[in-house]
Amino acid sequence: AQSVTQLGSHVSVSEGALVLLRCNYSSSVPPYLFWYVQYPNQGLQLLLKYTSAATLVKGINGFEAEFKKSETSFHLTKPSAHMSDAAEYFCAVRIYSSASKIIFGSGTRLSIRP
Amino acid sequence: NAGVTQTPKFRVLKTGQSMTLLCAQDMNHEYMYWYRQDPGMGLRLIHYSVGEGTTAKGEVPDGYNVSRLKKQNFLLGLESAAPSQTSVYFCASSYGQAGTGELFFGEGSRLTVL
Repeated sequence: AQSVTQLGSHVSVSEGALVLLRCNYSSSVPPYLFWYVQYPNQGLQLLLKYTSAATLVKGINGFEAEFKKSETSFHLTKPSAHMSDAAEYFCAVRIYSSASKIIFGSGTRLSIRP
Repeated sequence: NAGVTQTPKFRVLKTGQSMTLLCAQDMNHEYMYWYRQDPGMGLRLIHYSVGEGTTAKGEVPDGYNVSRLKKQNFLLGLESAAPSQTSVYFCASSYGQAGTGELFFGEGSRLTVL
């Protein structure tokens, strides 16, 4: 069965520092992978997605993620954190043969220190 | 462009009362979903629909019913509300099997059951 694990329920970084949010997946077939962001009292919006093309995916707001099949990982990074990046981030997986099966990780809350 | 609209946005119920959450999308999406979000648990799929007139159970379907009589609408019903159903509910939609599975979310409905 497919699943998603996000390491760290809360990550805190200083403004200007590197952001690294970890996501590992399990899937017996090639997956589609997503990162979503949720700002307070809002719905989720797509940051970026991997759909078996380039393994390094660039998203909105300067975020990017690299698909590593050997490590079953899809970690989210941003070189320099900004105060506006404070939000909750969710990794999600879908097996490409079943568009209806989309599983979310438990989320990581990102805090930015001035 | 409205996207995905959920009504109501807030509701307080007493144990045993019933209610219906309405989700409407104007993007002509085939698939629609209902998730619940609870602290530390990410988003869990309640029910989903892959087309008008069809519904299926997700991870946590007990205590909920759904209907999709029109392609653009997906209703979530609670027949006899329980305190364990206090949560934030999100509706989402996506293109069908040919799509990547990217979800478009509503802004959420916060339900409190006393």
